[in-house]
Amino acid sequence: DGGITQSPKYLFRKEGQNVTLSCEQNLNHDAMYWYRQDPGQGLRLIYYSQIVNDFQKGDIAEGYSVSREKKESFPLTVTSAQKNPTAFYLCASSTTGGFQPQHFGDGTRLSIL
Amino acid sequence: DQQVKQNSPSLSVQEGRISILNCDYTNSMFDYFLWYKKYPAEGPTFLISISSIKDKNEDGRFTVFLNKSAKHLSLHIVPSQPGDSAVYFCAAIPNSGYALNFGKGTSLLVTP
Repeated sequence: DGGITQSPKYLFRKEGQNVTLSCEQNLNHDAMYWYRQDPGQGLRLIYYSQIVNDFQKGDIAEGYSVSREKKESFPLTVTSAQKNPTAFYLCASSTTGGFQPQHFGDGTRLSIL
Repeated sequence: DQQVKQNSPSLSVQEGRISILNCDYTNSMFDYFLWYKKYPAEGPTFLISISSIKDKNEDGRFTVFLNKSAKHLSLHIVPSQPGDSAVYFCAAIPNSGYALNFGKGTSLLVTP
């Protein structure tokens, strides 16, 4: 059963800590994306990757970092430099080459203790 | 700067009737428009899309209409069912782009 798996579903972080959110897909998609959703807002792009070992910043990349060492995996690290990390984080993937809709995981809710 | 706007935060419709969700955009470079449905604490689920070269796309109970001159699109759900109650996001992307530009969403409530 193909899909996108995000873990954990809920995550708590202390001030000054880095945390890493996991995103794994078995859809054989080349492209992967990280979005952030705040209450009452649409989704905003943090980072995206079109191919392994390559990624680009989105609109709100400050305070975040990513890696893409495997096609299936695109982890997001929320660093202590991110001043307002409390949000709902969504990972997505899609095929490349022409228009294809992005498909989303079920998200990780990050809260600051 | 919000390039995709959903001006109605919420909509309530009776079961069996038509739901019409609206979306406006400002960027004439958008080539594809998408609608996603989202339940609380879950990721958005892709519903339907439309290319800028078309003015209508239909998939079962869902139809999306695009008016390029007005930079407006709408999602029609007929007939509406209680299970359709969710937040609906409009999104757009240019052909050369990677990031979906999302509206803030419209919360649809379908009452029995």
